[in-house]
Amino acid sequence: EAQVTQNPRYLITVTGKKLTVTCSQNMNHEYMSWYRQDPGLGLRQIYYSMNVEVTDKGDVPEGYKVSRKEKRNFPLILESPSPNQTSLYFCASGDISGQPQHFGDGTRLSIL
Amino acid sequence: AQSVAQPEDQVNVAEGNPLTVKCTYSVSGNPYLFWYVQYPNRGLQFLLKYITGDNLVKGSYGFEAEFNKSQTSFHLKKPSALVSDSALYFCAVREPLGSGNTPLVFGKGTRLSVIA
Repeated sequence: EAQVTQNPRYLITVTGKKLTVTCSQNMNHEYMSWYRQDPGLGLRQIYYSMNVEVTDKGDVPEGYKVSRKEKRNFPLILESPSPNQTSLYFCASGDISGQPQHFGDGTRLSIL
Repeated sequence: AQSVAQPEDQVNVAEGNPLTVKCTYSVSGNPYLFWYVQYPNRGLQFLLKYITGDNLVKGSYGFEAEFNKSQTSFHLKKPSALVSDSALYFCAVREPLGSGNTPLVFGKGTRLSVIA
């Protein structure tokens, strides 16, 4: 079954404590991306990757890092989380056309 | 920079009636356009896309969308709404790959409510 798996699904943490949200896909997709969803703002792209070792900024990359060392994994790293990064985060993957075709079920982060 | 507008936060329609969810876009060059649907507590699901070719695009669950270049619109339509279509719908746009940095930009979403 085609899947994009995010972990954790929920996390409450404190300002400044580094955290990583993992994302893994089993479809051998070239394209992977991260989004945050906030009320009234829709989805905003944080980073995307067209292939291994290739990453690009989306609309709201500040405060986030990503890496793409393997094709299946695309972790999102918050080096020093702040309360304005409290949000619902989605990872997605897609083929070489660069379109998200499958989304994970989301990670709800609360930064206190 | 590209942008997407979904002018209606909420659309209400009676079951069995046709539905339209509106989307307009702004992009330099030829757009890649997408529609996604989000059910409660779930990630987005892809419905359909326009890259090139026929202006009327057919997608999943009986949905279709019409690309109108002169009006820069890509409205989502369905001839007969079902209660199960009630969800949050997102339009998205991107410039073609090879145009440099090509992030995907989403609209703010339109909540569709189909009433029995």
